[in-house]
Amino acid sequence: DGGITQSPKYLFRKEGQNVTLSCEQNLNHDAMYWYRQDPGQGLRLIYYSQIVNDFQKGDIAEGYSVSREKKESFPLTVTSAQKNPTAFYLCASRFTVNEKLFFGSGTQLSVL
Amino acid sequence: GNSVTQMEGPVTLSEEAFLTINCTYTATGYPSLFWYVQYPGEGLQLLLKATKADDKGSNKGFEATYRKETTSFHLEKGSVQVSDSAVYFCARGGSGGGADGLTFGKGTHLIIQP
Repeated sequence: DGGITQSPKYLFRKEGQNVTLSCEQNLNHDAMYWYRQDPGQGLRLIYYSQIVNDFQKGDIAEGYSVSREKKESFPLTVTSAQKNPTAFYLCASRFTVNEKLFFGSGTQLSVL
Repeated sequence: GNSVTQMEGPVTLSEEAFLTINCTYTATGYPSLFWYVQYPGEGLQLLLKATKADDKGSNKGFEATYRKETTSFHLEKGSVQVSDSAVYFCARGGSGGGADGLTFGKGTHLIIQP
């Protein structure tokens, strides 16, 4: 079945540690997105990529980094510069602009 | 600016009640509009969408009509079930294409009691 796979489901970060969240899609979508979800705040855009080897900052990119070396993959690194990383992280993708987004099942990141 | 505003929850209803979740948007032009649903611990699933004025999106008994004159896209269902309990997000596409994804409202937590 085609879809978006995020891993791990749960992730714990120690102080000063970088962690990487995986997002893989086999839908042949060009565009991929990372959102952060906090209770009562909806979804906020971290980074997005419309094509391989290119990505842009979203509304809350500070403390995060991404890469897009393959069409299928868009990993998100939460760096030690992100002082409040505890949140639910959602990856999404789609074919073209202004069309629906397909979402992964999310990764819950917590700080130890 | 461009934004999406939806009613705050939680909204608590009894089974078989009528549901309305309000959503209004601001945008230049005529963006596509969406409702997504999120069950606990999961990602978002598309519930319905509308791409132009007066379009009605519908799915699983839910409906929403694209109202250009009131810039609204209210979600309705005639008779809710316990299984409809979830968080519902209204979203807007970009008017000019919107490469930066969708703009989401803050979500409305719906609780249906038996």
